[in-house]
Amino acid sequence: NAGVTQTPKFQVLKTGQSMTLQCAQDMNHNSMYWYRQDPGMGLRLIYYSASEGTTDKGEVPNGYNVSRLNKREFSLRLESAAPSQTSVYFCASRDRVGGYTFGSGTRLTVV
Amino acid sequence: SQQGEEDPQALSIQEGENATMNCSYKTSINNLQWYRQNSGRGLVHLILIRSNEREKHSGRLRVTLDTSKKSSSLLITASRAADTASYFCATDDFGNEKLTFGTGTRLTIIP
Repeated sequence: NAGVTQTPKFQVLKTGQSMTLQCAQDMNHNSMYWYRQDPGMGLRLIYYSASEGTTDKGEVPNGYNVSRLNKREFSLRLESAAPSQTSVYFCASRDRVGGYTFGSGTRLTVV
Repeated sequence: SQQGEEDPQALSIQEGENATMNCSYKTSINNLQWYRQNSGRGLVHLILIRSNEREKHSGRLRVTLDTSKKSSSLLITASRAADTASYFCATDDFGNEKLTFGTGTRLTIIP
């Protein structure tokens, strides 16, 4: 099925460890996004990429880096994980008329 | 910061009744979107309404937009148990190509 694929679905990290969350879309969308969702809250934008080769900070970029590897893939990296980064992470892509398709999420716990 | 604020934060109704959720936002928008999130799952796009539209329908969903009041409402008619979920409004701001989410309404349909 066409859509947004995120890996892994679950991850537990120790404080200070690093990891990369992977995201790929097969809908030929230009724009891709990384959000985090904390309990009882809406989604907050971490980083986004309006097109291949460009990335921009969102509302909560500190502690994260991103790479727009090609049009399909947009990865999110935590260089030194902290407990405050425990969250559910969602990747999304945007179509031409403004609709967004979300991945199923990565549940990250930092201990 | 959150752009949208949903009201109420939580809503419980009997199956078959109508559910109404409201969203207020702060800045000028290109469009406003509503999403559903089942517990522990990703977000599903429900409906998009453009800033020059006042009302839009999709199945049992009706969305209104009042740009003068910077508010929107989502009406779900003839509710079903499967409608139990969190509902989020999100605004796509002019020139930003970013989606900013509200904090959501938790809807529970009582069988």
